[in-house]
Amino acid sequence: EAEVAQSPRYKITEKSQAVAFWCDPISGHATLYWYRQILGQGPELLVQFQDESVVDDSQLPKDRFSAERLKGVDSTLKIQPAELGDSAMYLCASSLGTGGWETQYFGPGTRLLVL
Amino acid sequence: QKEVEQDPGPLSVPEGAIVSLNCTYSNSAFQYFMWYRQYSRKGPELLMYTYSSGNKEDGRFTAQVDKSSKYISLFIRDSQPSDSATYLCAMKGDSGGSNYKLTFGKGTLLTVNP
Repeated sequence: EAEVAQSPRYKITEKSQAVAFWCDPISGHATLYWYRQILGQGPELLVQFQDESVVDDSQLPKDRFSAERLKGVDSTLKIQPAELGDSAMYLCASSLGTGGWETQYFGPGTRLLVL
Repeated sequence: QKEVEQDPGPLSVPEGAIVSLNCTYSNSAFQYFMWYRQYSRKGPELLMYTYSSGNKEDGRFTAQVDKSSKYISLFIRDSQPSDSATYLCAMKGDSGGSNYKLTFGKGTLLTVNP
């Protein structure tokens, strides 16, 4: 069964350092999402791509976060510089499209701890 | 007030019990309602998907949506220790509108004791 792949699974960094997360969606899925899940909360959308284009990045803190999906397949989310409040699970999801019935499939996530 | 409210629990039940999980929401534009299950340190996986009002059953799981009350439920019959996880409700409106983003509840932590 096809799955969304993410790496690394865990990342510990010091504040002010740069970190990057990678996501490989299910093959053929045009839509890719990055979510942040703080402990005890539901996931919140950071950025959504349709192929290589950003559809929604309204909740992405653009002063420190950036995301790209250059060839419309895999994607990278970067934080620079990391802050203590960035400690969270970063989840990648993908779907075939954006229609109402489209199911989002989530990866295992990257757990980030900023010290 | 958040758009989606979900009691975080924790909820602890004996094996074999019927579990009821609930969410309320405030945005009347939501049309698609989902329940995700998330095991510790894993990503969410889709359990149930319902459009508009009504019931949907899948094995031991039943999802109910009451749009008039803005209330959704997930029932788990004959609960098993393997059902121990966090259950997240999620919902969205039609694509193309401003409510197309998936909005999650906080999740309810369920433990089923053998």
